[in-house]
Amino acid sequence: DIQMTQSPSFLSASVGDRVTINCKASQNINRYLNWYQQKLGEAPKLLIYNANSLQTGIPSRFSGSGSGTDFTLTISSLQPEDVATYFCLQHNSWPFTFGSGTKLEIK
Amino acid sequence: EVQLVETGGGLVRPGSSLKLSCATSGFTFSNTWMNWVRQAPGKGLEWVALIKDKYSNYEANYAESVKGRFTISRDDSKSRVYLQMNTLRDQDTATYYCTRNLRGWGQGVMVTVSS
Repeated sequence: DIQMTQSPSFLSASVGDRVTINCKASQNINRYLNWYQQKLGEAPKLLIYNANSLQTGIPSRFSGSGSGTDFTLTISSLQPEDVATYFCLQHNSWPFTFGSGTKLEIK
Repeated sequence: EVQLVETGGGLVRPGSSLKLSCATSGFTFSNTWMNWVRQAPGKGLEWVALIKDKYSNYEANYAESVKGRFTISRDDSKSRVYLQMNTLRDQDTATYYCTRNLRGWGQGVMVTVSS
């Protein structure tokens, strides 16, 4: 199985900060990586698919980059409504595997 | 508007069975790959199963943790996907989500396995 190592596990930042979250795959997954946001008590919501494609309706402050084994989710200017847990998912091969999550809070 | 609504959850004893259903609308179900993903209380996300469309002969894939116990199926005429869960274990306790191509997600349904 492909292991997804996500970092950091917890992140505290100020409104307006640039925030980056990383995922590292244990083997090449090309660009088959999605990023999700999950707010407390809600279902996950897709932010970025295939490493760098912004899902319709998602604010442009969210962006994704990377290919192969190293991927990054960037929030260019953190907003209060971005408080959530963020997960990466590799869908290059079965079983699909998620990162362990990054809990983001506002300082 | 795309909608996915899961039903069928509940509290069951270890060793018992349960069948989840996901009703969908707002997209062309018949050519969409559907997945089930679960989340144990306070934990991360775990992919459970995938069923492909008719063009891929409805091929199914499963996580090792549920292989041989869970069966994913679909009814294209009703735009529904199902998850038959047999021989349930305590560690199957989770919120189960159906997802359309791992993009749109339902609100989830809780399954609790406990004696």
